[in-house]
Amino acid sequence: DAGVIQSPRHEVTEMGQEVTLRCKPISGHNSLFWYRQTMMRGLELLIYFNNNVPIDDSGMPEDRFSAKMPNASFSTLKIQPSEPRDSAVYFCASSFWRTSGTPYHEQYFGPGTRLTVT
Amino acid sequence: GENVEQHPSTLSVQEGDSAVIKCTYSDSASNYFPWYKQELGKRPQLIIDIRSNVGEKKDQRIAVTLNKTAKHFSLHITETQPEDSAVYFCAATPPGGGNKLTFGTGTQLKVEL
Repeated sequence: DAGVIQSPRHEVTEMGQEVTLRCKPISGHNSLFWYRQTMMRGLELLIYFNNNVPIDDSGMPEDRFSAKMPNASFSTLKIQPSEPRDSAVYFCASSFWRTSGTPYHEQYFGPGTRLTVT
Repeated sequence: GENVEQHPSTLSVQEGDSAVIKCTYSDSASNYFPWYKQELGKRPQLIIDIRSNVGEKKDQRIAVTLNKTAKHFSLHITETQPEDSAVYFCAATPPGGGNKLTFGTGTQLKVEL
């Protein structure tokens, strides 16, 4: 298995531009998470999906951030317009989740996208 | 919601010594507690986890203990090696949380030769 795939790996953009980050979860996983990591704030959950449905977006900083999961194998995180304070490493993670049996399973992280907004 | 506190933020040990990282959580209903290791420039990776029906779990040089009464859990690394140097994150999730993890702030462990 290729693991969680994220693109691009690095993104440098100017303030005000739109940024789109992409994620392909591990095949068979039905939970997908978007995290942001900075030195100041650590690892923050932005939003997560179960079975392609957004469950909790309380971590999304503001309306400039949006996320979609149109199907089980693809998700995007969009920032429009971008600001310098959005500079961070953005991780996508996936896992298998079910309501019965063993509900919790390992979250597998992608390699991350390092975003720099100048 | 759940709140996880982690201590210490940095930890330096000599090679061969033991290292202990402690976490406390706020939601008494939380029942799953994983630990992730993140090497510099890499992604977080699960190293061990424990569920609330177990008090201790070991995997070679790594062990995790859970005290549900006190709402704290700890990571123990014995016979530390330079490759153990990394940032370690604890996390917790309550039932019905849909697999959502709340992470601690991380501990930078440095193993010195």
